[in-house]
Amino acid sequence: EAEVAQSPRYKITEKSQAVAFWCDPISGHATLYWYRQILGQGPELLVQFQDESVVDDSQLPKDRFSAERLKGVDSTLKIQPAELGDSAMYLCASSLDSGTSKNIQYFGAGTRLSVL
Amino acid sequence: AQSVTQPDIHITVSEGASLELRCNYSYGATPYLFWYVQSPGQGLQLLLKYFSGDTLVQGIKGFEAEFKRSQSSFNLRKPSVHWSDAAEYFCAVGAGYGNKLVFGAGTILRVKS
Repeated sequence: EAEVAQSPRYKITEKSQAVAFWCDPISGHATLYWYRQILGQGPELLVQFQDESVVDDSQLPKDRFSAERLKGVDSTLKIQPAELGDSAMYLCASSLDSGTSKNIQYFGAGTRLSVL
Repeated sequence: AQSVTQPDIHITVSEGASLELRCNYSYGATPYLFWYVQSPGQGLQLLLKYFSGDTLVQGIKGFEAEFKRSQSSFNLRKPSVHWSDAAEYFCAVGAGYGNKLVFGAGTILRVKS
């Protein structure tokens, strides 16, 4: 069964350092999402890609966060510099095409970030 | 803007007992509704989805959910809970441009033997 791959699974960093997370969506999925899940809360969308283009980054803190999906396949989410409040689970999801009416998102196992 | 409310933060049920997790949504048009389950330290697994048609939908692991438009609800049910069902459950509505998901805060299910 195809899965969304994420790495690393866990990351511990000190504040003001840079961190990066990687996501490889299910093959053939045009849409890729990055969510942040703070402990005790539901996931919240940070950024959405359709192929290599950003279609929604309204909730991405652009002063420190960046995301790219250069070839429209895998994606990297970066935080620089990391702050204590960035400690969370970062989830990647993919779907066939967000433009279709019945869009199902499949999630990876996530990256747990701890900022010390 | 769309929103999802899961009124119960924690629920404890005995193994073999029935389960109902509540979900209320707010969205102006016909919603697409989802239930996901998350085990500790893991990603989200899709349990079931509602797009249209029959308001009672069946999912994996013996779960079902019923869409009630008049109550803006999409409650999740299971007739007999197993210890392996202990996890956190999230209700979500897919709406708006790009069909992004808006999640509730989740309900943690504990199963006692």
